[in-house]
Amino acid sequence: QVQLLQSGAEVKKPGASVKVSCKASGYTFTNFYIHWVRQAPGQGLEWLGIFNPSGGGSTSYAQRFQGRVTMAGVTSTTTVYMELTGLTSEDTALYYCARGADNSVWDLLIDSWGQGTLVTVSS
Amino acid sequence: SSELTQPPSVSVSPGQTARITCSGDALPKKYASWFQQKPGQAPVLIIYKDTERPSGIPERFSGSTSGTTVTLTISGAQAEDEADYHCQSADSSGTYVVFGGGTKLTVL
Repeated sequence: QVQLLQSGAEVKKPGASVKVSCKASGYTFTNFYIHWVRQAPGQGLEWLGIFNPSGGGSTSYAQRFQGRVTMAGVTSTTTVYMELTGLTSEDTALYYCARGADNSVWDLLIDSWGQGTLVTVSS
Repeated sequence: SSELTQPPSVSVSPGQTARITCSGDALPKKYASWFQQKPGQAPVLIIYKDTERPSGIPERFSGSTSGTTVTLTISGAQAEDEADYHCQSADSSGTYVVFGGGTKLTVL
């Protein structure tokens, strides 16, 4: 079955960067998009962007995160990474990776989710 | 517009039907999904492409669409259905994912 295993919780100071990993298993890694979504405490879901593990590893980022977020992957280890720079207290949230649709067509469907990684930004 | 609007909360008595709406200008042209999220857990996909139900999701969950509104219906709500429900779709250009603000369903 599809599994997405994320790295552990992080505590960062304002201005720092964080890198979260997401190891995929149970399906053909290069055939499906990976999304990153975050959830601040007590809040709703917010999309950060999408990564295509196939070909050149193309990405599309939400406008409000462009310039601050980078998504990349390593096919040999079926792992995707999300790095967010210039952290502020407003970036404190649970960060999820989630499998997207078959990447043979452009589709923003999201299905299976990782367990989430708590990122806390505090001085 | 790229926004999806959900009611913050919905209440239903056990065994009754709960309906949660999600409104957005792009919904007539873009598919919507619904996710269920219980406290301390990751979201779970329960409806995709407006009306499709993934395998393993109980039949009491169904989706419908009319104009700029999609609706999640839970027929015969059970105590275990108490959770947050999030709708998801795409912006009008089909480039970005958008989520509704989430709806807390209380079964009491």
